[in-house]
Amino acid sequence: AQRVTQPEKLLSVFKGAPVELKCNYSYSGSPELFWYVQYSRQRLQLLLRHISRESIKGFTADLNKGETSFHLKKPFAQEEDSAMYYCALSSHNTDKLIFGTGTRLQVFP
Amino acid sequence: DVKVTQSSRYLVKRTGEKVFLECVQDMDHENMFWYRQDPGLGLRLIYFSYDVKMKEKGDIPEGYSVSREKKERFSLILESASTNQTSMYLCASSPGTSGATEAFFGQGTRLTVV
Repeated sequence: AQRVTQPEKLLSVFKGAPVELKCNYSYSGSPELFWYVQYSRQRLQLLLRHISRESIKGFTADLNKGETSFHLKKPFAQEEDSAMYYCALSSHNTDKLIFGTGTRLQVFP
Repeated sequence: DVKVTQSSRYLVKRTGEKVFLECVQDMDHENMFWYRQDPGLGLRLIYFSYDVKMKEKGDIPEGYSVSREKKERFSLILESASTNQTSMYLCASSPGTSGATEAFFGQGTRLTVV
């Protein structure tokens, strides 16, 4: 079965500090991993996907199949990064998209 | 721009009522999803549709059904609303390819069952 685990409900940092939001998954097949973000009063939207290997708004995430992890990182947090972040999983075999429980990131000035 | 539109932002219904939540997308996407979003529980998949009249149960389908008669429209039905179905409901759509495609979300419907 597909499962996504985000162990932290809340992560609070000061502006300029590094950030790492943790995501672990379980899936027996070949996973597709994503990070979605929801800013206050906005729709949930894609932040990045592992297959693109891109950096968006300074965020990166590396898929580690050995540790079944897809942690989201940013070296220097900004106040505008404050939002709810969700890790999500799909696969080559199905477009069914499963989400984790989310981590709220608070960046203080 | 992809647009996913949910028919209501806020709904208040009475226990036992039959409730319809409607979602329309305008990008000819094969896949459509219904989730409920609750604090501390994240997004939980209720139902997933990968084609017209095709559906698959998600993690929490009990108490819900869905209808997809046309490609652009995906309806969530609460057969007999209960207070534990008070929640934010999110609809999404995505192209049907390899699974690595972006899902686009509606603005959400906040349903309160009294």
